[in-house]
Amino acid sequence: GESVGLHLPTLSVQEGDNSIINCAYSNSASDYFIWYKQESGKGPQFIIDIRSNMDKRQGQRVTVLLNKTVKHLSLQIAATQPGDSAVYFCAQGAQKLVFGQGTRLTINP
Amino acid sequence: DTGVSQDPRHKITKRGQNVTFRCDPISEHNRLYWYRQTLGQGPEFLTYFQNEAQLEKSRLLSDRFSAERPKGSFSTLEIQRTEQGDSAMYLCAAAGANPSTDTQYFGPGTRLTVL
Repeated sequence: GESVGLHLPTLSVQEGDNSIINCAYSNSASDYFIWYKQESGKGPQFIIDIRSNMDKRQGQRVTVLLNKTVKHLSLQIAATQPGDSAVYFCAQGAQKLVFGQGTRLTINP
Repeated sequence: DTGVSQDPRHKITKRGQNVTFRCDPISEHNRLYWYRQTLGQGPEFLTYFQNEAQLEKSRLLSDRFSAERPKGSFSTLEIQRTEQGDSAMYLCAAAGANPSTDTQYFGPGTRLTVL
């Protein structure tokens, strides 16, 4: 079956620095990957997605990289701001999503 | 705002009672999903609908759980004879018809506490 894991449960960065959150997956059958941001007491918020026919996709201050060879996905947040503090989840799948456990991003002033 | 609303936002109940949650997506959302999230974990898939048809149910969805989407618009999730292990955040997500292009957008969730 599918499993999605994250390399670190917590990540602490200085405000203004870049953040990199990593994710590993095991199932190559699904070609759709999504990053969600979840703030305390709220539902997951879509950030960015990528399909397996791409290696990189950029949004506003965020970049997702997909390495299919090693089954690795990363989310890069540029110039991290206090409002970026949240738990970040990678998810895989087109119909039912399989989520990782999440990485809690903390911003130090 | 994702356009997906859930009601209630919080529910506290005693063990053994029945509870029902509601999810309202926008009209363009043909697909509707229910997930459960426990503390410190990612959401886990429970079930999903394409319009009014329930197409898949997880093994997590015991016989005490039932979901409906009678008119292909709003959906309800009912838990009968609640147990303390049912305490979790219940999330609804909705998406357009094409799983290859349409992302799932989540509502704010219903937090259930079973005493």
